[in-house]
Amino acid sequence: DGGITQSPKYLFRKEGQNVTLSCEQNLNHDAMYWYRQDPGQGLRLIYYSQIVNDFQKGDIAEGYSVSREKKESFPLTVTSAQKNPTAFYLCASTQGASGGTDTQYFGPGTRLTVL
Amino acid sequence: AQSVAQPEDQVNVAEGNPLTVKCTYSVSGNPYLFWYVQYPNRGLQFLLKYITGDNLVKGSYGFEAEFNKSQTSFHLKKPSALVSDSALYFCAVRDMVTNAGKSTFGDGTTLTVKP
Repeated sequence: DGGITQSPKYLFRKEGQNVTLSCEQNLNHDAMYWYRQDPGQGLRLIYYSQIVNDFQKGDIAEGYSVSREKKESFPLTVTSAQKNPTAFYLCASTQGASGGTDTQYFGPGTRLTVL
Repeated sequence: AQSVAQPEDQVNVAEGNPLTVKCTYSVSGNPYLFWYVQYPNRGLQFLLKYITGDNLVKGSYGFEAEFNKSQTSFHLKKPSALVSDSALYFCAVRDMVTNAGKSTFGDGTTLTVKP
């Protein structure tokens, strides 16, 4: 089955801790994205990557970091600098690097809760 | 800048009745428009998209949407609603001219179909 996997499904973080959310795709897609979803709000873009070893900040990048060392992997680290990290995090990908007319494919999400 | 508005937080319909979920957009160039559906604690699933051509777009699960350039709208419709259609629906727009292919999502509309 081709698709996007995210792990873990649920993640609990203590104050001051960094945590890393995993995102892997076997669709051979060029571009990958991280979104944050809060209740009553749409998806907000955190970071995106159009090619290996390159990534750009989205609308709410502060307190987050990413890497893209392999085409299929785009992990997101939520650092202690992110003051309100409790949210549902979604990873997505598009076939083309620029997105364009491509459909975005989404992973199942990771729910992060700060204790 | 591009933007999307979903003016209704919630839409309630009876099973078997037609449904409409509204979406309006603002872009500088030609819009690429998408509808996605999200079930609780899941990722988004693609329903349909408008790129160019026929203003009436047909998608998955019997859904369709009509692109109206003069009203800058892209409303999602279904002739006969099912209880299983109950979910959170997102409209998204992508403007290749000014936003490098990044998508902007609306805040979502919760559709409830009652038996």
